[in-house]
Amino acid sequence: DGGITQSPKYLFRKEGQNVTLSCEQNLNHDAMYWYRQDPGQGLRLIYYSQIVNDFQKGDIAEGYSVSREKKESFPLTVTSAQKNPTAFYLCASSTGQGEGYTFGSGTRLTVV
Amino acid sequence: GQQVMQIPQYQHVQEGEDFTTYCNSSTTLSNIQWYKQRPGGHPVFLIQLVKSGEVKKQKRLTFQFGEAKKNSSLHITATQTTDVGTYFCADLFGNEKLTFGTGTRLTIIP
Repeated sequence: DGGITQSPKYLFRKEGQNVTLSCEQNLNHDAMYWYRQDPGQGLRLIYYSQIVNDFQKGDIAEGYSVSREKKESFPLTVTSAQKNPTAFYLCASSTGQGEGYTFGSGTRLTVV
Repeated sequence: GQQVMQIPQYQHVQEGEDFTTYCNSSTTLSNIQWYKQRPGGHPVFLIQLVKSGEVKKQKRLTFQFGEAKKNSSLHITATQTTDVGTYFCADLFGNEKLTFGTGTRLTIIP
């Protein structure tokens, strides 16, 4: 079955450490996205990529970095520069042709 | 940046009652998409509206896009416990990226 896989489901990080969240899709989608969701809040766009080897900043990119070396993969690194990293991180993909997004099941990051 | 507001933020209804959430923007919306997120889950795409005044139905769900493309609504008839969750509208700007609304959390009283 095609879909998006995010790992790990839960992640704990010490302050000052970088951490990388994995996102893999086998839907053959060109576009991929990272969103952040805080408790009781909507989704805010961190980064997005419409094609391999290219990506754009979203609304809250500070303290985050991404890469898009393969069509299937779009990992997100939460750096120590991110002041409030504890949140629910959602990866999504789409054809990039104006259709609905498919979301992964998310990673809950907690800074301890 | 663009802001998409939804009202109400929370809605508690008795099972069997109807429910409506409204999505509003001060600027013209491009393509409106609606998503449902179950508690503890991830957003799931429901539908997309593209044309001014468009109305689409999915069983008990009715989606509308305003004539001026500045608002949209989702109406659920005769709610069921399976309807519990948060409903988000989102504007797909330039076929590039989605800007999500603030969401409406629906709880059902059995």
